[in-house]
Amino acid sequence: GDSVTQMEGPVTLSEEAFLTINCTYTATGYPSLFWYVQYPGEGLQLLLKATKADDKGSNKGFEATYRKETTSFHLEKGSVQVSDSAVYFCALSLLGYPTGGGNKLTFGTGTQLKVEL
Amino acid sequence: DAGVTQSPTHLIKTRGQHVTLRCSPISGHKSVSWYQQVLGQGPQFIFQYYEKEERGRGNFPDRFSARQFPNYSSELNVNALLLGDSALYLCASSLGAGGSKETQYFGPGTRLLVL
Repeated sequence: GDSVTQMEGPVTLSEEAFLTINCTYTATGYPSLFWYVQYPGEGLQLLLKATKADDKGSNKGFEATYRKETTSFHLEKGSVQVSDSAVYFCALSLLGYPTGGGNKLTFGTGTQLKVEL
Repeated sequence: DAGVTQSPTHLIKTRGQHVTLRCSPISGHKSVSWYQQVLGQGPQFIFQYYEKEERGRGNFPDRFSARQFPNYSSELNVNALLLGDSALYLCASSLGAGGSKETQYFGPGTRLLVL
């Protein structure tokens, strides 16, 4: 079945460090890819998305490029801040799934990021 | 504009009881999906509804059911609660259910504890 694999956390960085969170996927078709962020005690917020190969999603200094050849969608940020501390989820959605339409999201297990001063 | 709203925010139940969770989508959105997030895991898809019809169901037992109302709000019902049903239940809305490019917007969730 379709799945998303993320690097395990927690990832601990100093403020202004470079961030990479790896995400790879397995899908039977051509999915759209998403990164969501979850702050403590809150729901999920969409961070960025890409809907086709080679697309780059970006938002708030975060970027991710849809790499079909490596089935990857790694999240990067050049300089993290303490306020970026949260859990980051990579997810995919396939056209026409589950049946004749629909847009079910399949999530990875999440990567906790801790940014220290 | 208001985002996705869910009620209640927290709930404590005992095993065997029944629970109803509620969700109001973003204005203009016609699709609502439900997800279960167990502590330390990613959300798992439970249901999707579009125009009051079920469009998809995840791998959950028949104790879980849902419906969507004419105003596009939705209820998730869980019968015969088990300890393992303790989780954060997330509702997400999207404009339609027409394909993978649709973006889903999540509410803050309802945290259910089953004792």
